[in-house]
Amino acid sequence: AQTVTQSQPEMSVQEAETVTLSCTYDTSESDYYLFWYKQPPSRQMILVIRQEAYKQQNATENRFSVNFQKAAKSFSLKISDSQLGDAAMYFCAYRLPNSGNTPLVFGKGTRLSVIA
Amino acid sequence: GAVVSQHPSWVICKSGTSVKIECRSLDFQATTMFWYRQFPKQSLMLMATSNEGSKATYEQGVEKDKFLINHASLTLSTLTVTSAHPEDSSFYICSAREWGHSNQPQHFGDGTRLSIL
Repeated sequence: AQTVTQSQPEMSVQEAETVTLSCTYDTSESDYYLFWYKQPPSRQMILVIRQEAYKQQNATENRFSVNFQKAAKSFSLKISDSQLGDAAMYFCAYRLPNSGNTPLVFGKGTRLSVIA
Repeated sequence: GAVVSQHPSWVICKSGTSVKIECRSLDFQATTMFWYRQFPKQSLMLMATSNEGSKATYEQGVEKDKFLINHASLTLSTLTVTSAHPEDSSFYICSAREWGHSNQPQHFGDGTRLSIL
């Protein structure tokens, strides 16, 4: 079974600084998707960034980028120029690419605090 | 963009009653929807996979008679917590992905906070 591990229960970063959240996963598949979701206090699940395993290039979305190391099964999230609004729970997630019926497998999450 | 609507957002009810939570995909069809449960300060735990026109697939340890799932159309899945007790109090979230678009991300409802007194 696939598992996702986030080894940092809590992280903090100064406003405008950079922080990296770690995620590792275990799978025997070669094709899959990886995601980072943000969950603010409102508890909405907000997609931050996604990565297809077959793509070697790391995904980026504005201030958010990933370091995808397929051989090491590592998928870290880097947040640059951190803002107060970035404070939230961050979940790393994995999914197989089958059409429609494969659920996301989530890590336990990392709570990010941003210090003004 | 695709939106998933979940209703109600918050419900408080007495122990022993049944509560129904609806999950609708507003602008796409979803043959499969997913129901998650989240305890405070914890991650999302998959409860069941809801399949349109057939029985739901429940994860190990989830009581199918306690958590009834119905997926009667391509845009609506319901979760009914039967004979609810205080230990069923939790945050329930549904999600769906557009049918036939395996490369699209899942869209989440805003969740339902269930409190059983």
